[in-house]
Amino acid sequence: KNQVEQSPQSLIILEGKNCTLQCNYTVSPFSNLRWYKQDTGRGPVSLTIMTFSENTKSNGRYTATLDADTKQSSLHITASQLSDSASYICVVTQGSQGNLIFGKGTKLSVKP
Amino acid sequence: ETGVTQTPRHLVMGMTNKKSLKCEQHLGHNAMYWYKQSAKKPLELMFVYNFKEQTENNSVPSRFSPECPNSSHLFLHLHTLQPEDSALYLCASSQAGGQDYNEQFFGPGTRLTVL
Repeated sequence: KNQVEQSPQSLIILEGKNCTLQCNYTVSPFSNLRWYKQDTGRGPVSLTIMTFSENTKSNGRYTATLDADTKQSSLHITASQLSDSASYICVVTQGSQGNLIFGKGTKLSVKP
Repeated sequence: ETGVTQTPRHLVMGMTNKKSLKCEQHLGHNAMYWYKQSAKKPLELMFVYNFKEQTENNSVPSRFSPECPNSSHLFLHLHTLQPEDSALYLCASSQAGGQDYNEQFFGPGTRLTVL
């Protein structure tokens, strides 16, 4: 079954600290993997995208990694800010038709 | 207006009401989508339109009726909804066959509450 599992479900950290969010998937065939950020009351916004041949991609303080062999990805946030408080959703694109398989998301709260 | 816009942002309706959600994309895309987002569940794809033609209907109840008059506008007509239909409804658009790996751009959503 094609699934995307994210952990933890929720996370609270102090401002300035780093954190890492996990994504495991069983989607086949694999096309690409995206991390989205969804602020409360807003739609998801793409942070990074990685294809099979890429194992790391950065976007400012966000760094995503991909291990296609173990079917795992992580999103590392450095020097967190209050504005990082949001849900982070891992999305895997299946096959050439582009079916998107969504994870449930990790809700991150950054406290002052 | 830029990106993907949705109206209304919030909607409260009774089970006997009829209402419509509107989505407009200003990105020149040729594909549009409706998603349902419920608490602690993954986004659920409801409908897909490519070049104004519906290409996917993921077993959505008939009380939800989509309409795509052109490639920039998408509607979701609602009637006789149930309380469990309360959720955030997200619209998205993409350029099918484009060079951006079919990245979907989302609107801000409509928060729907069914009483």
